[in-house]
Amino acid sequence: QSALTQPASVSGSPGQSITISCTGTSSDVGSYNLVSWYQQHPGKVPKLMIYEVTKRPSGVSNRFSGSKSGNTASLTISGLQAEDEADYYCCSYAGYSTFRVFGGGTKLTVL
Amino acid sequence: EVQLVESGGGLVQPGGSLRLSCVASGFTFSNYWMSWVRQAPGKGLEWVANIKQDGSEKNYVDSVKGRFTISRDNAKSSLYLQMTSLRAEDMAAYYCVRDQAFAFDIWGHGTMVTVSS
Repeated sequence: QSALTQPASVSGSPGQSITISCTGTSSDVGSYNLVSWYQQHPGKVPKLMIYEVTKRPSGVSNRFSGSKSGNTASLTISGLQAEDEADYYCCSYAGYSTFRVFGGGTKLTVL
Repeated sequence: EVQLVESGGGLVQPGGSLRLSCVASGFTFSNYWMSWVRQAPGKGLEWVANIKQDGSEKNYVDSVKGRFTISRDNAKSSLYLQMTSLRAEDMAAYYCVRDQAFAFDIWGHGTMVTVSS
């Protein structure tokens, strides 16, 4: 049950766009459109931002979008704001034996 | 208000046992899969276990199989995690999470499990 691979850190200036990648395998990300993304501020509880690769829960800003190509899913944040500074985690369904696997997390810094 | 409230965390010696509880409110608990997700201090998220609406199906991450047992009581809108043979690597904040459309959409505040002699 190997974790999905995310960059340890990304950064951007206010107003810019950034993309966080999440690389898995043909057994998880590549096989199912069931990737979700979570935002976690320091000391806070994770919050669902994207589910089923591209869908946004009610209340999540449309500045957040998701996509997938092959074994890699991506989270894009446009119009970067200071409040977006947080850790971001991807997660994928991984089939009947493994079920769920998270990425290692990416720390987003807004410069 | 949709809410999950965990309890039962604490300090336990290696090899010891602990039972975590989670009470749900604000939604029909029996309609949802539920999961436990943990986070070691300063580390990332790890899915631990999940359970089907009626309790008939339970799944676990390999590292806890045979040691942890997930269960639920729909009449009490409650989720449980019985943890035995605890190890240092089990030390983490444990989150009770609603499992919806293969995503974790509602999170509790977490309960901390510390494994130390």
